[in-house]
Amino acid sequence: SYELTQPPSVSASTGQTARITCSGDKLGNKYVSWYQQKPGQSPVLVIYQDTERPSGIPARFSGSNSGNTATLTISGTQAVDEADYYCQAWDSRTYVIFGGGTKLTVL
Amino acid sequence: QLQLQESGPGLVKPSETLALTCKVSGGSISSSSYYWGWIRQAPGKGLEWIGISQDSGSSHYTPSLKSRVTISVDTSKNQFSLRLSSVTAADTAVYYCARVTLSATGTSWWFDPWGRGTLVTVSS
Repeated sequence: SYELTQPPSVSASTGQTARITCSGDKLGNKYVSWYQQKPGQSPVLVIYQDTERPSGIPARFSGSNSGNTATLTISGTQAVDEADYYCQAWDSRTYVIFGGGTKLTVL
Repeated sequence: QLQLQESGPGLVKPSETLALTCKVSGGSISSSSYYWGWIRQAPGKGLEWIGISQDSGSSHYTPSLKSRVTISVDTSKNQFSLRLSSVTAADTAVYYCARVTLSATGTSWWFDPWGRGTLVTVSS
């Protein structure tokens, strides 16, 4: 079955750029969405279809997807960005796959 | 602004059926543009997709749960529901409902917005 792999944790200093990766076989041929989940809260969509930002999501969030890796980039990371981030893609057999999640720590 | 709110028993006995409802407000559930879905998250774990359904009756479920899951849409009440049969302790999780958008090709799905979630514990 298709799998999406994320690093368990990523850290970034305030004001710096944080990059969270999501890997899968030929992932660049699929569309990827990203969700932010803060402790005790429900997930929030921050990127869909690789690069699209929903209304209300700050412009510092951006996405890319090529080859076997999709990347969520947070430019000018802020303390409020500290959260778990999940990637998600569509697969013809299982339909929806989520990555295992990455905990972003803002130093 | 579309809002979703889950409701249902917080405790279910093993072998019984888990039944949850998601009430949709701020918009109509009768839209061919969207599906309505359920996702769960076991304590301290990641997200697991359960399935989606539309008022047309079209549904899709994750293979690992397909034999036990039914998602149905009630347009008269603007809500949709989840039924998961023969539950075990492994089904203990926070259950979220969400609106699901499918791309024109159907090869891209995304979930937005989400409900606040409801914790369901399976225990005797």
